[in-house]
Amino acid sequence: KAGVTQTPRYLIKTRGQQVTLSCSPISGHRSVSWYQQTPGQGLQFLFEYFSETQRNKGNFPGRFSGRQFSNSRSEMNVSTLELGDSALYLCASSLGSGDQETQYFGPGTRLLVL
Amino acid sequence: QKEVEQDPGPLSVPEGAIVSLNCTYSNSAFQYFMWYRQYSRKGPELLMYTYSSGNKEDGRFTAQVDKSSKYISLFIRDSQPSDSATYLCAMISSEASGGSYIPTFGRGTSLIVHP
Repeated sequence: KAGVTQTPRYLIKTRGQQVTLSCSPISGHRSVSWYQQTPGQGLQFLFEYFSETQRNKGNFPGRFSGRQFSNSRSEMNVSTLELGDSALYLCASSLGSGDQETQYFGPGTRLLVL
Repeated sequence: QKEVEQDPGPLSVPEGAIVSLNCTYSNSAFQYFMWYRQYSRKGPELLMYTYSSGNKEDGRFTAQVDKSSKYISLFIRDSQPSDSATYLCAMISSEASGGSYIPTFGRGTSLIVHP
């Protein structure tokens, strides 16, 4: 079956702009989690959505937001971009909320903020 | 001090060697432990998931958890060049309840297995 897909794969933005990233989970998976990966901070949890509701949130400012649709697809939005937001943004889907054992990651969206 | 410490490496070994990858942690509430493998330009892939002290084996991989020492390890037997990747440890607190959890990751160890 198809894996987790993320679009776009690469993105270049300038400071102050906003960006929306998209994630399509594996068929049947109802939970989508988002992560930020940088060389300096490593992999950090942003938030998780399950059944269109945010279930968990990491320690990121309110500029980072997300949503999930009824078909489990999810979007992540970052407003007022800063240079430090340059990172690989990964989404992962799983069958249920917090279900690490069924979690699969997508290939990521590489965001560069200039 | 970070909650999870992991040596970034790189760790370079010859093909066929036994590889030992390690993480230490400071939060005694961590009860669920994972190891991920991440190839360049790919997302992480779950290798091992465990929630108890002791060993868990899956093929060439063995995960070891020592909660008393706050130390976890991943052993790779008969290492292959295809094992060359970054290995991330991750942990979840037992205080996570009601479906609430936030995984904390180590920085990852870069492993190079040369033929």
